[in-house]
Amino acid sequence: AQSVTQPDIHITVSEGASLELRCNYSYGATPYLFWYVQSPGQGLQLLLKYFSGDTLVQGIKGFEAEFKRSQSSFNLRKPSVHWSDAAEYFCAVGTNTGNQFYFGTGTSLTVIP
Amino acid sequence: GAGVSQSPSNKVTEKGKDVELRCDPISGHTALYWYRQSLGQGLEFLIYFQGNSAPDKSGLPSDRFSAERTGGSVSTLTIQRTQQEDSAVYLCASSLGLAGRQETQYFGPGTRLLVL
Repeated sequence: AQSVTQPDIHITVSEGASLELRCNYSYGATPYLFWYVQSPGQGLQLLLKYFSGDTLVQGIKGFEAEFKRSQSSFNLRKPSVHWSDAAEYFCAVGTNTGNQFYFGTGTSLTVIP
Repeated sequence: GAGVSQSPSNKVTEKGKDVELRCDPISGHTALYWYRQSLGQGLEFLIYFQGNSAPDKSGLPSDRFSAERTGGSVSTLTIQRTQQEDSAVYLCASSLGLAGRQETQYFGPGTRLLVL
């Protein structure tokens, strides 16, 4: 069965520091991978997505993610975090055989001055 | 253009009452999805529509939950005889096509349901 794991429930980083949020998926074929961000009281906003091609994907707000098939991972990174990046981040996988999305449980990011 | 809208934004109800949650997808989007987000949980898939048809209802938690979509546009999620465990944020999303076919889902702001 398809699944998505985000091992880190909560992460705290200092403003200006680098960030990496982990995501591992379980799916037999090539997945469609997504990262969404949810700010307090807001809906989910798509940061970036991977369907095929270059395994390093650039997204909005300076985020990027790298698809590593050998590790079944799609980690989200940002070189320098801003206070406005504090939010909940969700990794999701879509499949080419079904019509569902599978979301991880999310990672809550706190940014300290 | 307008994004996905949901109403009401907040709903407080008493245990045992029925509630209706509404979703207006982005115009032209054929696929529509409902999710539930409970405190500290990820997003739980409930149901999706392709047009007015819901091929997969396996995610609905119980027979108290139902959903419909009319005119290939607005969708209503109905919860009958609400229970306290139904308290959650209900999110709606739409996509141009089906998500499994490389389409991005666009999410609404959600309806926060509290069952007392």
